[in-house]
Amino acid sequence: GAVVSQHPSRVICKSGTSVKIECRSLDFQATTMFWYRQFPKKSLMLMATSNEGSKATYEQGVEKDKFLINHASLTLSTLTVTSAHPEDSSFYICSARDWWSGRADEQFFGPGTRLTVL
Amino acid sequence: AQSVAQPEDQVNVAEGNPLTVKCTYSVSGNPYLFWYVQYPNRGLQFLLKYITGDNLVKGSYGFEAEFNKSQTSFHLKKPSALVSDSALYFCAVRRGAGNTPLVFGKGTRLSVIA
Repeated sequence: GAVVSQHPSRVICKSGTSVKIECRSLDFQATTMFWYRQFPKKSLMLMATSNEGSKATYEQGVEKDKFLINHASLTLSTLTVTSAHPEDSSFYICSARDWWSGRADEQFFGPGTRLTVL
Repeated sequence: AQSVAQPEDQVNVAEGNPLTVKCTYSVSGNPYLFWYVQYPNRGLQFLLKYITGDNLVKGSYGFEAEFNKSQTSFHLKKPSALVSDSALYFCAVRRGAGNTPLVFGKGTRLSVIA
């Protein structure tokens, strides 16, 4: 149980284009999902908290107009990188809690999406 | 603010030897502490957690961690390392009560040498 998927696993795009990354909770409902960004050989940086049916809460220093988050349902959150530039190249990971299970303290992570902007 | 620190970027250990990956924390209130492991180009996998109770926590793949309140530490340990344990290990703390996110240490790369 508590499986989180991401799609795509890998994407290469041209500079200036937009890319959408999907995060799904496959066997549980997630009112809240978290988006992280991981730079090579570095830690995970929390980008934002995605709330179902409401606006995302962004961490300080994260551009909300560049990283658009939509949490349209209890099982889907999307991260859209708008007007992508090479410096946006990174590994993006989403996460969620299965709040109604016996493992509510844990966060379950998706497999990540490798974004490369040329 | 809640935070964790992993003082070592890299830990090397010979296969069969015990391993320790260090983590110290800074929290207000009761700490909710976690260890995750990441294999190349993969998401994070949960290893173990400390919420309350016994200071020695046992987790997946033979790993354990000891919560030490006086030293504000939560070191990850394994009695006998395997080559397959080579990965990136993250210590994390929950940022607050309720459905708040985990914040992570910078990670420690463990290399187990045959």
